[in-house]
Amino acid sequence: EVQLVESGGGLVKPGGSLRLSCAASGFTFSSYSMNWVRQAPGKGLEWVSSISSSSSYIYYADSVKGRFTISRDNAKNSLYLQMNSLRAEDTAVYYCAREGDVWGQGTTVTVSS
Amino acid sequence: DIQLTQSPSFLSASVGDRVTITCRASQGISSYLAWYQQKPGKAPKLLIYAASTLQSGVPSRFSGSGSGTEFTLTISSLQPEDFATYYCQQLNSYPFTFGPGTKVDIK
Repeated sequence: EVQLVESGGGLVKPGGSLRLSCAASGFTFSSYSMNWVRQAPGKGLEWVSSISSSSSYIYYADSVKGRFTISRDNAKNSLYLQMNSLRAEDTAVYYCAREGDVWGQGTTVTVSS
Repeated sequence: DIQLTQSPSFLSASVGDRVTITCRASQGISSYLAWYQQKPGKAPKLLIYAASTLQSGVPSRFSGSGSGTEFTLTISSLQPEDFATYYCQQLNSYPFTFGPGTKVDIK
């Protein structure tokens, strides 16, 4: 079964850091670009970052550029999002997605003092 | 950055109704558009990609059309399980922006 499972969310104070992980199974992870998408409470979807299959191409939304770092380990079938200098407006459910056709269940990040 | 607008923002409809949602891009995006369905507390589900290609497993009552700057998602006969929020997303250039969403509710 094709599956993505996110982990690493939680409560963090403003200015803090968090690392999200996304474990992939059931498909050849190294063949696909991957994305992080977030959704603030009661709001719409916001694309956060994308990484190509070999990590050659990486893109970020302006709202996270310089603070978030996307990476992947194809040997471990895993995608990551390192989030630094977190702000209240980063509070959201974070989804990893395989090129849009397969999504994880999401992990919740809450930034609050 | 390419901006997407959706209309209407909210739609009240009955089971069996034909429903059309429009997505407009601030500049041409060829056919690089996807449509998603999202239910409360759930991850989005891909319905349509490349503007008009039905994702595997998605019922044929869903269809997409358009190219350039104007796109539509049509549900030919609304079913109870279709009450949800629908988003378009452009995949022409980064950032891969989403539209603000259209909530389809029960009349």
